[in-house]
Formats: sequence, structure tokens, C-alpha cells
Amino acid sequence: GENVEQHPSTLSVQEGDSAVIKCTYSDSASNYFPWYKQELGKRPQLIIDIRSNVGEKKDQRIAVTLNKTAKHFSLHITETQPEDSAVYFCAASTGGTSYGKLTFGQGTILTVHP
Amino acid sequence: GAVVSQHPSWVICKSGTSVKIECRSLDFQATTMFWYRQFPKQSLMLMATSNEGSKATYEQGVEKDKFLINHASLTLSTLTVTSAHPEDSSFYICSARAGNSGELFFGEGSRLTVL
Repeated sequence: GENVEQHPSTLSVQEGDSAVIKCTYSDSASNYFPWYKQELGKRPQLIIDIRSNVGEKKDQRIAVTLNKTAKHFSLHITETQPEDSAVYFCAASTGGTSYGKLTFGQGTILTVHP
Repeated sequence: GAVVSQHPSWVICKSGTSVKIECRSLDFQATTMFWYRQFPKQSLMLMATSNEGSKATYEQGVEKDKFLINHASLTLSTLTVTSAHPEDSSFYICSARAGNSGELFFGEGSRLTVL
């Protein structure tokens, strides 16, 4: 089955700096890669996603890049703010009837210091 | 936007009892729902895929007789933790998709504590 590795496990940055979180996946059939932000005790919130036919996607301060050949994808947050502090999870999924069956990375605890 | 609701949001029970958690899609029909378990400070792990009108598909290592899943309608899936033990204490989260390629929505999660 799919295996998703996520690094780093913790990331501490100063407000205004950029944060980068990286994930690798093992199943070349995976074609959907969402990123989630989860605050303590709450549901994961989708912040951005990318499909395998796209190499990069950006939404304001958040961007995701995908390298299918190397099987890795990364989350980039620019101009970080204290409210960005949370746990971030990458995930991977194949399409078709398995769409929605997500394999999550281990998570990254992001702390943005004012 | 679409909403997936879980109930209860938290539950405390005695060891040996059974607990039922409901996952409802409030404004869309979900032919497929997914159940995840998240232990403290860990990632979400898929337990099973719940298909309306048919048996659930369980991930390796998940006991189907302990975690009973029923998806009797297009808007409701239930997870029953039977004979719960302290090691079953966890955050259980469901997700649902609208159609085969629709957006995924997560429920609020249900925190189970077994004493």
C-alpha cells in the first residue's frame, strides 16, 4: 500500500518567515495530494491540494509543488503569521473508486513566534 | 459548503461497553464514507471504507468484529466500538465525499475515552 513520509516533525519560525514542509510517497498510482491544517481537538481543514497533472499550485500565501518523478510534494507558506501555528498533514490518494481513501503523513507541528 | 456532522463529539464509557458514533452528511449524498482513528500526537490512520448498502472494507490490522460499520443510507454511517477497552481511547474522525471525484469533507471528530 501507499506510504507517506513527512518532514520535519516540528518546525519553528519567526513571524514573517517562510515555512516549508516536505512529503514523499511510494505509490506511483497516487494522483491526489491534499494538505490539511489541524488545530488541537478539531477536524482537519483542507488548505490546498494538487493533482498529478499539475506541478505547482498557489493560493495567496500558500503554495504546493509536486514532483511526480521523484514522488515528492512540498507545502510552502510565506509571510507566516502566529495563527498559522498548527499541525499540518500531507496526504496522498489514488483516484477512481479509491478517491478519498487518504494515506496521511506523520504531521508537522508548526510554531510561528510573534 | 457541504457539512459532515459527527455525534457524539465526546464520550466516556466503562471498559467492556459498546459505543456508537454517527457520521452524517447534512446536505449531500455520500455513497462512500471513511473512518479514521487518531491517537494523541499522531497522524490519522484509515480504519475502514464504508460503502452504502454493502459491507465495509477494513484496513489491515483493524478488527472488523470489534469496529462494526453500518452505512444504511446515503447520509449516515455508524461506527460501533464493541467491548471497548482503554487502548481504544482515541479521536475517531469520519470523512465523506460527494460522488466519485467530489470534494472530501471531514466530520468534527469524536473523542472516545474508555475507563
